[in-house]
Parts: sequence; structure tokens; C-alpha cells
Amino acid sequence: GAVVSQHPSRVICKSGTSVKIECRSLDFQATTMFWYRQFPKQSLMLMATSNEGSKATYEQGVEKDKFLINHASLTLSTLTVTSAHPEDSSFYICSANRDSLYGGYTFGSGTRLTVV
Amino acid sequence: QKEVEQDPGPLSVPEGAIVSLNCTYSNSAFQYFMWYRQYSRKGPELLMYTYSSGNKEDGRFTAQVDKSSKYISLFIRDSQPSDSATYLCAMSEGDDYKLSFGAGTTVTVRA
Repeated sequence: GAVVSQHPSRVICKSGTSVKIECRSLDFQATTMFWYRQFPKQSLMLMATSNEGSKATYEQGVEKDKFLINHASLTLSTLTVTSAHPEDSSFYICSANRDSLYGGYTFGSGTRLTVV
Repeated sequence: QKEVEQDPGPLSVPEGAIVSLNCTYSNSAFQYFMWYRQYSRKGPELLMYTYSSGNKEDGRFTAQVDKSSKYISLFIRDSQPSDSATYLCAMSEGDDYKLSFGAGTTVTVRA
């Protein structure tokens, strides 16, 4: 089945620094990847849709300059949290869709970001 | 009104019982329907994936979709303590469309 690898699984950073999270599709090419944020005991909130070779599409209320998304290849998308603040602490998850014949959307294992 | 409604529970059942989960939705354009299982601090794991109306069975899991009622269900037979997790319904209008999620139902299977 489709495998999506996300790295790192956990990161702690200081306020004001930037953190990069990687999302890779290991056994398929993904022209579209999705980035979600999840708060404790809540469902997933879509942040942006990452498109290979073009700009990401951000959901309403998500700061484009704070959450930089780069989809440089068909197997890699990155999310960079810039000038991180404690309120950015959250669980970030990426997802990619192989195609409906292969069962659709697969998620990475998530990244727990803590900003201190 | 949310696009996808799901009772967050929590739901507690004894081992061996049938777990019944459901979601309703308002967007008639949804065509793909999914159920995910999420353990604490992990990414969601795809359990069932169905297209349009009908039933689909995979082992102990059965997914049902009724597009006329805008209602989907997931049944887990012979539930095990390892089934204790949060179950999320999700749906989309098509390939590479964004997913719309339910709130997730927390299930505990008691040994």
C-alpha cells in the first residue's frame, strides 16, 4: 500500500526560530499533498494543499508567510514554521493521495512541535 | 452547521461487542468516503475506503454509505481492546480534493 513518511516525529524549538517538517511519499508520486494541524482531542484542520511545481493553496485564516510550504518534487513536500511562537505548538500531519484505485489518502505519522 | 457531523462520544463497549459509528454530511458532491483510526499522537490510519453508495466489508469492519440520506456508518465486529482509538470519518468530492473530516469518535473497548 501507499506509504507516507513524515520527519521529524517530534521537535522542540525556541521561540523565534524556524522549523522544517518533511513529508515524503515513499512508493508513489504525489502531485498533491495536504498539511493538517491537530489540537488535543480535536479533529484534523486542513492548513493548505501543496501542489508540485506551483504555489500552495492555503485555507482561510492560515498565514502564508508563517507556514511556508514547498512541494519541490513529486515525492517531497515541506512545511516550514517560521518565527515559531508557543501558540504554534501543535501536532502537524501531512497526507498524500495516490489515487482511488489504491485506496486514497494516506497520512504521515505526524510531527509534535513544541515551541518553548 | 458543520459539513460533516460526527458524535465525539466517548463510546465504551465490552470486548466482543459490535461498535457502531456514524457520520452525517450536508455536501451532496461528496463521492469518496473513508474511515480512519487514530491512536494517540499518531497519524490517522486508513481503515475503509468506499466510493458512492453501498456496503464494503473487510475482516471485522463493515462500511456503509447511503448517499440518499447523506449518512455513513462503520461497524466493528468482535471488538478487541486494541480497537480502542479515535475513529474519524472523512469524505471528498474526488481524487486530490481536500478531505472533510468529522470530529472523531473516541472508542474504548473494555477487556
